[in-house]
Amino acid sequence: QKEVEQNSGPLSVPEGAIASLNCTYSDRGSQSFFWYRQYSGKSPELIMFIYSNGDKEDGRFTAQLNKASQYVSLLIRDSQPSDSATYLCAAGGGTSYGKLTFGQGTILTVHP
Amino acid sequence: SAVISQKPSRDICQRGTSLTIQCQVDSQVTMMFWYRQQPGQSLTLIATANQGSEATYESGFVIDKFPISRPNLTFSTLTVSNMSPEDSSIYLCSVEGPGSGQYEQYFGPGTRLTVT
Repeated sequence: QKEVEQNSGPLSVPEGAIASLNCTYSDRGSQSFFWYRQYSGKSPELIMFIYSNGDKEDGRFTAQLNKASQYVSLLIRDSQPSDSATYLCAAGGGTSYGKLTFGQGTILTVHP
Repeated sequence: SAVISQKPSRDICQRGTSLTIQCQVDSQVTMMFWYRQQPGQSLTLIATANQGSEATYESGFVIDKFPISRPNLTFSTLTVSNMSPEDSSIYLCSVEGPGSGQYEQYFGPGTRLTVT
Protein backbone atom coordinates (compact mmCIF):
# COMPACT_ATOMS: atom_id res chain seq x y z
CA GLN A 1 0.00 0.00 0.00
CA LYS A 2 1.64 3.19 -1.17
CA GLU A 3 0.84 5.98 1.27
CA VAL A 4 1.50 9.63 1.71
CA GLU A 5 0.79 11.00 5.14
CA GLN A 6 0.27 14.53 6.34
CA ASN A 7 -0.83 16.09 9.58
CA SER A 8 -4.37 17.23 8.83
CA GLY A 9 -4.04 20.26 11.10
CA PRO A 10 -5.42 22.77 11.24
CA LEU A 11 -2.14 24.62 11.41
CA SER A 12 -2.58 28.19 12.53
CA VAL A 13 0.18 30.79 12.17
CA PRO A 14 0.22 34.57 12.53
CA GLU A 15 0.67 36.78 9.52
CA GLY A 16 4.35 37.23 8.69
CA ALA A 17 5.45 33.99 10.33
CA ILE A 18 6.90 30.88 8.69
CA ALA A 19 4.44 28.06 8.09
CA SER A 20 5.98 24.58 8.04
CA LEU A 21 4.07 21.74 6.41
CA ASN A 22 5.30 18.17 6.56
CA CYS A 23 4.72 14.97 4.64
CA THR A 24 6.07 11.41 4.75
CA TYR A 25 5.79 8.74 2.09
CA SER A 26 6.09 4.97 2.16
CA ASP A 27 7.12 4.09 -1.43
CA ARG A 28 10.90 4.30 -1.65
CA GLY A 29 10.59 4.14 -5.41
CA SER A 30 8.83 7.50 -5.56
CA GLN A 31 10.86 9.95 -7.57
CA SER A 32 8.99 13.24 -7.57
CA PHE A 33 7.10 15.13 -4.93
CA PHE A 34 4.54 17.85 -5.26
CA TRP A 35 2.81 20.46 -3.18
CA TYR A 36 -0.63 21.59 -4.25
CA ARG A 37 -2.65 24.40 -2.74
CA GLN A 38 -6.42 24.04 -2.72
CA TYR A 39 -8.72 26.86 -1.78
CA SER A 40 -12.20 25.93 -0.60
CA GLY A 41 -14.41 25.09 -3.56
CA LYS A 42 -11.52 25.21 -6.03
CA SER A 43 -9.34 22.60 -7.71
CA PRO A 44 -5.76 21.90 -6.61
CA GLU A 45 -3.08 24.27 -7.91
CA LEU A 46 0.51 23.07 -8.26
CA ILE A 47 2.83 25.39 -6.34
CA MET A 48 6.08 23.40 -6.01
CA PHE A 49 7.67 20.18 -7.12
CA ILE A 50 10.99 18.64 -6.13
CA TYR A 51 12.86 15.51 -7.13
CA SER A 52 16.38 15.97 -5.77
CA ASN A 53 17.47 15.80 -2.17
CA GLY A 54 17.85 19.20 -0.59
CA ASP A 55 16.01 22.47 -0.88
CA LYS A 56 14.23 24.15 -3.74
CA GLU A 57 13.16 27.76 -3.40
CA ASP A 58 10.56 29.70 -5.36
CA GLY A 59 9.66 33.09 -3.99
CA ARG A 60 8.23 32.68 -0.49
CA PHE A 61 8.04 28.90 -0.86
CA THR A 62 10.79 26.38 -0.10
CA ALA A 63 10.35 22.65 -0.64
CA GLN A 64 12.69 20.27 1.15
CA LEU A 65 13.25 16.62 0.29
CA ASN A 66 15.07 13.95 2.28
CA LYS A 67 14.79 10.63 0.46
CA ALA A 68 16.68 8.71 3.15
CA SER A 69 14.06 9.74 5.70
CA GLN A 70 11.22 9.64 3.14
CA TYR A 71 10.27 13.12 4.19
CA VAL A 72 9.09 16.17 2.28
CA SER A 73 8.30 19.58 3.66
CA LEU A 74 7.04 22.95 2.48
CA LEU A 75 8.01 26.20 4.15
CA ILE A 76 6.03 29.34 3.50
CA ARG A 77 7.87 32.49 4.58
CA ASP A 78 6.13 35.74 5.43
CA SER A 79 2.78 33.97 5.54
CA GLN A 80 -0.21 35.96 4.36
CA PRO A 81 -3.92 35.48 5.04
CA SER A 82 -4.24 34.65 1.33
CA ASP A 83 -2.09 31.56 2.00
CA SER A 84 -4.93 30.11 4.06
CA ALA A 85 -5.89 26.93 2.21
CA THR A 86 -5.48 23.17 2.26
CA TYR A 87 -2.03 22.01 1.18
CA LEU A 88 -1.81 18.61 -0.47
CA CYS A 89 1.40 16.61 -0.68
CA ALA A 90 1.72 14.10 -3.52
CA ALA A 91 4.30 11.53 -4.59
CA GLY A 92 4.82 10.15 -8.08
CA GLY A 93 7.03 8.07 -10.30
CA GLY A 94 8.83 4.87 -9.48
CA THR A 95 6.65 1.78 -9.63
CA SER A 96 3.53 3.95 -10.05
CA TYR A 97 4.79 5.58 -13.22
CA GLY A 98 2.74 8.65 -14.07
CA LYS A 99 0.36 8.26 -11.14
CA LEU A 100 0.30 10.49 -8.10
CA THR A 101 -0.59 9.43 -4.58
CA PHE A 102 -2.00 12.24 -2.48
CA GLY A 103 -1.90 12.81 1.24
CA GLN A 104 -4.97 13.89 3.17
CA GLY A 105 -3.92 17.52 3.14
CA THR A 106 -3.05 20.04 5.86
CA ILE A 107 -5.39 22.93 6.53
CA LEU A 108 -3.40 26.13 7.02
CA THR A 109 -4.91 29.23 8.55
CA VAL A 110 -2.92 32.48 8.59
CA HIS A 111 -4.49 34.96 10.98
CA PRO A 112 -3.88 38.72 10.82
CA SER B 1 0.93 24.58 -18.22
CA ALA B 2 -2.05 23.44 -20.28
CA VAL B 3 -5.43 25.12 -20.01
CA ILE B 4 -8.02 22.56 -18.94
CA SER B 5 -11.79 22.97 -18.99
CA GLN B 6 -14.51 20.72 -17.67
CA LYS B 7 -18.22 20.54 -18.36
CA PRO B 8 -20.49 20.72 -16.51
CA SER B 9 -19.06 22.68 -13.62
CA ARG B 10 -21.76 21.33 -11.35
CA ASP B 11 -24.90 19.26 -11.54
CA ILE B 12 -27.61 17.85 -9.34
CA CYS B 13 -28.80 14.43 -10.46
CA GLN B 14 -31.31 11.87 -9.32
CA ARG B 15 -30.22 8.46 -8.17
CA GLY B 16 -30.20 5.81 -10.85
CA THR B 17 -29.30 8.22 -13.63
CA SER B 18 -25.94 8.76 -15.35
CA LEU B 19 -23.85 11.86 -15.95
CA THR B 20 -21.07 12.34 -18.48
CA ILE B 21 -18.32 14.78 -17.61
CA GLN B 22 -16.18 16.28 -20.35
CA CYS B 23 -12.55 17.34 -20.07
CA GLN B 24 -10.95 19.47 -22.80
CA VAL B 25 -7.27 20.46 -22.98
CA ASP B 26 -5.83 23.21 -25.16
CA SER B 27 -2.82 21.11 -26.19
CA GLN B 28 -2.13 17.49 -27.01
CA VAL B 29 -1.31 15.34 -23.99
CA THR B 30 -0.54 11.66 -23.74
CA MET B 31 -1.91 10.89 -20.31
CA MET B 32 -5.10 12.16 -18.72
CA PHE B 33 -6.28 11.24 -15.27
CA TRP B 34 -9.64 11.23 -13.55
CA TYR B 35 -9.89 11.80 -9.79
CA ARG B 36 -12.66 11.89 -7.25
CA GLN B 37 -12.63 14.13 -4.19
CA GLN B 38 -15.32 13.26 -1.71
CA PRO B 39 -16.44 15.93 0.77
CA GLY B 40 -13.66 16.79 3.19
CA GLN B 41 -11.32 14.21 1.65
CA SER B 42 -8.22 14.18 -0.48
CA LEU B 43 -7.99 13.11 -4.11
CA THR B 44 -8.44 9.51 -5.15
CA LEU B 45 -7.39 8.40 -8.62
CA ILE B 46 -10.20 6.69 -10.53
CA ALA B 47 -8.38 5.83 -13.75
CA THR B 48 -5.70 6.77 -16.23
CA ALA B 49 -6.82 7.42 -19.79
CA ASN B 50 -4.39 7.13 -22.68
CA GLN B 51 -5.46 7.88 -26.22
CA GLY B 52 -6.09 4.79 -28.29
CA SER B 53 -6.21 2.30 -25.45
CA GLU B 54 -8.54 1.18 -22.70
CA ALA B 55 -8.47 3.20 -19.52
CA THR B 56 -6.61 1.70 -16.58
CA TYR B 57 -8.74 1.65 -13.43
CA GLU B 58 -7.54 1.80 -9.84
CA SER B 59 -8.57 -0.69 -7.21
CA GLY B 60 -12.18 -0.10 -6.20
CA PHE B 61 -13.24 1.47 -9.50
CA VAL B 62 -14.73 -0.48 -12.40
CA ILE B 63 -15.47 0.31 -16.01
CA ASP B 64 -19.19 -0.46 -15.72
CA LYS B 65 -19.58 2.25 -13.09
CA PHE B 66 -17.12 4.78 -14.52
CA PRO B 67 -16.77 4.29 -18.29
CA ILE B 68 -14.15 6.54 -19.83
CA SER B 69 -13.56 7.61 -23.39
CA ARG B 70 -10.41 9.11 -24.85
CA PRO B 71 -11.07 9.71 -28.53
CA ASN B 72 -8.10 12.03 -29.15
CA LEU B 73 -5.16 13.73 -27.48
CA THR B 74 -7.12 16.74 -26.22
CA PHE B 75 -10.38 15.30 -24.93
CA SER B 76 -11.77 12.73 -22.52
CA THR B 77 -15.07 11.92 -20.87
CA LEU B 78 -15.94 10.21 -17.61
CA THR B 79 -19.43 8.82 -17.07
CA VAL B 80 -20.77 8.21 -13.60
CA SER B 81 -23.37 5.48 -14.10
CA ASN B 82 -26.39 4.43 -12.07
CA MET B 83 -25.65 7.10 -9.51
CA SER B 84 -26.31 6.90 -5.80
CA PRO B 85 -25.88 9.59 -3.13
CA GLU B 86 -22.45 8.08 -2.33
CA ASP B 87 -21.28 9.32 -5.75
CA SER B 88 -21.71 12.92 -4.62
CA SER B 89 -18.20 14.29 -5.05
CA ILE B 90 -16.04 16.62 -7.03
CA TYR B 91 -14.69 14.93 -10.15
CA LEU B 92 -11.43 16.29 -11.52
CA CYS B 93 -9.47 15.61 -14.64
CA SER B 94 -5.77 16.26 -14.81
CA VAL B 95 -3.00 16.12 -17.37
CA GLU B 96 0.72 15.71 -17.14
CA GLY B 97 2.81 18.81 -17.51
CA PRO B 98 4.93 19.25 -20.62
CA GLY B 99 8.56 18.44 -20.81
CA SER B 100 9.91 18.04 -17.34
CA GLY B 101 9.43 14.30 -17.20
CA GLN B 102 8.80 14.51 -13.49
CA TYR B 103 5.14 13.51 -13.54
CA GLU B 104 3.66 16.81 -12.40
CA GLN B 105 -0.04 17.10 -13.06
CA TYR B 106 -2.31 20.06 -13.61
CA PHE B 107 -5.97 19.96 -12.74
CA GLY B 108 -9.10 21.16 -14.40
CA PRO B 109 -11.62 23.22 -12.43
CA GLY B 110 -13.64 20.17 -11.42
CA THR B 111 -17.26 19.05 -11.65
CA ARG B 112 -19.26 19.20 -8.45
CA LEU B 113 -21.83 16.42 -8.50
CA THR B 114 -24.71 16.09 -6.05
CA VAL B 115 -26.88 12.99 -6.22
CA THR B 116 -30.28 13.15 -4.55
